[in-house]
Amino acid sequence: EPEVTQTPSHQVTQMGQEVILRCVPISNHLYFYWYRQILGQKVEFLVSFYNNEISEKSEIFDDQFSVERPDGSNFTLKIRSTKLEDSAMYFCASRNWGAGNTIYFGEGSWLTVV
Amino acid sequence: QKEVEQDPGPLSVPEGAIVSLNCTYSNSAFQYFMWYRQYSRKGPELLMYTYSSGNKEDGRFTAQVDKSSKYISLFIRDSQPSDSATYLCAMKPLYGGSQGNLIFGKGTKLSVKP
Repeated sequence: EPEVTQTPSHQVTQMGQEVILRCVPISNHLYFYWYRQILGQKVEFLVSFYNNEISEKSEIFDDQFSVERPDGSNFTLKIRSTKLEDSAMYFCASRNWGAGNTIYFGEGSWLTVV
Repeated sequence: QKEVEQDPGPLSVPEGAIVSLNCTYSNSAFQYFMWYRQYSRKGPELLMYTYSSGNKEDGRFTAQVDKSSKYISLFIRDSQPSDSATYLCAMKPLYGGSQGNLIFGKGTKLSVKP
């Protein structure tokens, strides 16, 4: 079964550093998303991406964050100048056009900022 | 009032029991409803989705939606130890944004004892 793959599975970074989280969405999917889950909290929407541009973003997704689809397969989330409160599990998700609302999530990248 | 409320549990049941998991919501614009299963430190796995009031069955799982009461349920029949996980409800409006901005409940942690 096709799946969304994410790397790294776990990253520890120093406060103030930049991190890039990578995702390979399901190959024929057209809509891509990043969600975040702080330990013990709800899964929260960050951003959606379609047709090579951001289509929607939450108030969490401020200038510290950016997304990019550098080639035909990868979808990245960049977090600049990381803060302690950025420590969370970051999930990439994707869905196809006309697939209803079947949004598929990756296994997540656990980010620890120290 | 929070948009989506879900009892976090934990909920502990013996193997073979019928499990009932519930969410309430306040936004009448929500039209699509999903249930995800999440194992510890893993990504949400889609179990079921529905957009109409009533019941939808898939194997041992039944999703129930009551839009008039703003209440959704997931029933698990003949529960197994492998069903032990956190169950997340998620929902979204019919229109708006990129149709990927899911609003999640906090999740109910279920433990099925052998």
